[in-house]
Amino acid sequence: GESVGLHLPTLSVQEGDNSIINCAYSNSASDYFIWYKQESGKGPQFIIDIRSNMDKRQGQRVTVLLNKTVKHLSLQIAATQPGDSAVYFCAELPGDYGQNFVFGPGTRLSVLP
Amino acid sequence: SQTIHQWPATLVQPVGSPLSLECTVEGTSNPNLYWYRQAAGRGLQLLFYSVGIGQISSEVPQNLSASRPQDRQFILSSKKLLLSDSGFYLCAWSVSSGGYNEQFFGPGTRLTVL
Repeated sequence: GESVGLHLPTLSVQEGDNSIINCAYSNSASDYFIWYKQESGKGPQFIIDIRSNMDKRQGQRVTVLLNKTVKHLSLQIAATQPGDSAVYFCAELPGDYGQNFVFGPGTRLSVLP
Repeated sequence: SQTIHQWPATLVQPVGSPLSLECTVEGTSNPNLYWYRQAAGRGLQLLFYSVGIGQISSEVPQNLSASRPQDRQFILSSKKLLLSDSGFYLCAWSVSSGGYNEQFFGPGTRLTVL
């Protein structure tokens, strides 16, 4: 299959443990953020989003935390499973009208049996 | 439900040859459409976006072009491919209402220029 990122930072986690993937964004005016999951050879899939008026949002097994003070976003995956192995990247939407999403380079999550 | 298609899935082309990648969306009207390129170890680079038929905005100058001949069809083209055009090309769509709307991605096209 397609190798999305040959030199991406990699996080290795034992199956069943929790994973924390981090993202630093650059634009203090960004007011909407998305985490995407990309499996090898496939297009990115939406996981969870958060607006800048929130600092935490929970989904099924996933939680996104937003710290606007330090411009930091994190994705927490509870009870990591083999199917969670993929590249994860964040996207920020600048608050200025007409701006498009800016995507981070991604982190490769490897789940160990 | 909405679906997005891209083809071909993989393509190997010689340097200097033309390119045409196609993207179509089903189940929605007047979407915003996007072309991205993803190089190994890097994030998604926005190449073009379109808010309507015949309306194309280019984010980076290069030897690629885009066209939107129909509401739900987005085409990425080149007259002469360069080695640096190799990469994973992704088409995406979003609703056109503006605001906080996620982008939905297609399966991608892996282009190798030799």
